[in-house]
Amino acid sequence: AQKITQTQPGMFVQEKEAVTLDCTYDTSDPSYGQFWYKQPSSGEMIFLIYQGSYDQQNATEGRYSLNFQKARKSANLVISASQLGDSAMYFCAMREGITQGGSEKLVFGKGTKLTVNP
Amino acid sequence: SQTIHQWPATLVQPVGSPLSLECTVEGTSNPNLYWYRQAAGRGLQLLFYSIGIDQISSEVPQNLSASRPQDRQFILSSKKLLLSDSGFYLCAWSVRGTGGSYEQYFGPGTRLTVT
Repeated sequence: AQKITQTQPGMFVQEKEAVTLDCTYDTSDPSYGQFWYKQPSSGEMIFLIYQGSYDQQNATEGRYSLNFQKARKSANLVISASQLGDSAMYFCAMREGITQGGSEKLVFGKGTKLTVNP
Repeated sequence: SQTIHQWPATLVQPVGSPLSLECTVEGTSNPNLYWYRQAAGRGLQLLFYSIGIDQISSEVPQNLSASRPQDRQFILSSKKLLLSDSGFYLCAWSVRGTGGSYEQYFGPGTRLTVT
């Protein structure tokens, strides 16, 4: 089974509007972390935001926030006030065993291509 | 601050030729190091990761190999390239630890085309 699923191959949003990019995950480990990365057309992967499974409040970094729903095993990225420069691929990733000396690896989803329209 | 370098930025190689891609990290010690490949329009596939010098784990059996001759140097190699080796190769580093979030930071990547 896929550990990380991003069901939206592409999303479109109007400039200045908010958009939610979906991510669901599969793990039996109670200790894990969720990450989001942005990949512009230039190719570099840019770390955006992180939240651990034991964190009580949803993470926020500027215009990025993580809508973390453990019961649904979802960790959706919300981008507020979209800008043209937000157009890129967005990848969700997970690391298991974050408090127990677990995996050194991240598992990535297949990505969502976001296009911001003017 | 930490920086990660990869070279070359682009490479065109014929089938059957050797390959050597290099990644170096500055500004940190004892990092975890990773090699990923991204096929066109697809997600990241972890190829190798290393938690220390000469400690390398292979994730996908293939004709590629990795070496870590120094703490902050990670090299991806092949003796004979295949057409299927074409892709975008990304190196990444993270803090090594027994726990914690430890996000990975990526280099600029190498775009490899095998002809």
